[in-house]
Order: sequence, then structure tokens, then C-alpha cells
Amino acid sequence: SQQGEEDPQALSIQEGENATMNCSYKTSINNLQWYRQNSGRGLVHLILIRSNEREKHSGRLRVTLDTSKKSSSLLITASRAADTASYFCATSANQAGTALIFGKGTTLSVSS
Amino acid sequence: DSGVTQTPKHLITATGQRVTLRCSPRSGDLSVYWYQQSLDQGLQFLIQYYNGEERAKGNILERFSAQQFPDLHSELNLSSLELGDSALYFCASSGDRRGGYTFGSGTRLTVV
Repeated sequence: SQQGEEDPQALSIQEGENATMNCSYKTSINNLQWYRQNSGRGLVHLILIRSNEREKHSGRLRVTLDTSKKSSSLLITASRAADTASYFCATSANQAGTALIFGKGTTLSVSS
Repeated sequence: DSGVTQTPKHLITATGQRVTLRCSPRSGDLSVYWYQQSLDQGLQFLIQYYNGEERAKGNILERFSAQQFPDLHSELNLSSLELGDSALYFCASSGDRRGGYTFGSGTRLTVV
């Protein structure tokens, strides 16, 4: 079963605009990660934010985490056509014997 | 190239058959994870191995089994295949359970 739930399911924007995707989760986490998947290919790890962090940056990516609301957001600034992909949040639970649980993803389309 | 190698890339087989998917993790990674991705179920965690031992189990059917060998490569065996088993099967590896995963490019299984 999915732990994370991304919103929106699909997002279409123009090149140069910012894209914001949200993720909500249900249980206590150790960290939350974001991944990108180009159509039919493997997932690529983008960024990891730990449960005691509130914001993290990596290039044009900005991730926030609100553990009280059990939610995270991924902001991609100045989007490019090459950012067109599906984006997934994944949560790492605090307990041993568990693996990353992925949401269903947000499909981002950036047109030029 | 992510460093995680999956073979074969594509597999077409008939219902009732058995197949084996193979994964070589990134050099130095002791953990291997198997995921199934389908349109309706999203990315589902199946099973994790760490240094040859089963470490975590997800939504893996009894018809499916996996193992990790001393050289750390892993195999996922799918038997009595059904049409609904058609999906992308991903292998991922990590050096730290709480870190990011490196995904392979997947095996696309089509059951006819």
C-alpha cells in the first residue's frame, strides 16, 4: 500500500515557470526522498530530507518538510523541457524491516 | 548508467510459465530491493535483501521468490505467471537503509 500521496496527479507548465508538487504521508518517518522517472525508465534519486530538517536545496530543487502536517513539497524553479517526467516522493519509516514506500507520483509536463 | 544492472530488459512469456529476473547492485552496496511498477498499483515494494539475507518483505505474492547470492547479485523468480503480473520490475540498491536508492533500468515483463 502507498504511504505517500502526491498532489497534483498531473501538472502542465511552460518553460521558465516554477513547478510545485506536494506529498502527504501517514506514519512517522526517518526521512523523505524525491525521485524522478522519465517515461518507462529507472527512477533517479533527487534529494533526501531528514525528519529533523525543514528545508533543503539542491540546484533548482527546493524541498520542504512539515512533520506536524505529515507533508512535503518539491519546488522546481525555472523549469525546462528536460524536467518533463514523473516525480515520486518516498518515505523511509523509523522502524527496521521496512523499505522505501513510494507514492503514485506527479506527472510533470514542461512545454517550450 | 546508474551502476545497477538488470537483465533482461524485456521479457515476453505465456501464462503459467516461470521467469527469472537478475540484478547486479552498484559496487559496494549490500542491500538489494525489488519493486513492481504497474499502471494501476503504482510502485510496489516486493522484497529486500541485505548481504544475502532477507531483510524486509512487502507485497510479494507467494508465487514470487527472490534470493541474493554471495557475490551480492540478486534474482527474482516469478512462477505460475498470470496476465496481471505484466509490469515493470525494478531492482534498486543502497549502501545505507536510510539513504537514497540507486535504481536499475528495469525489466519489462509481458505475460500473454
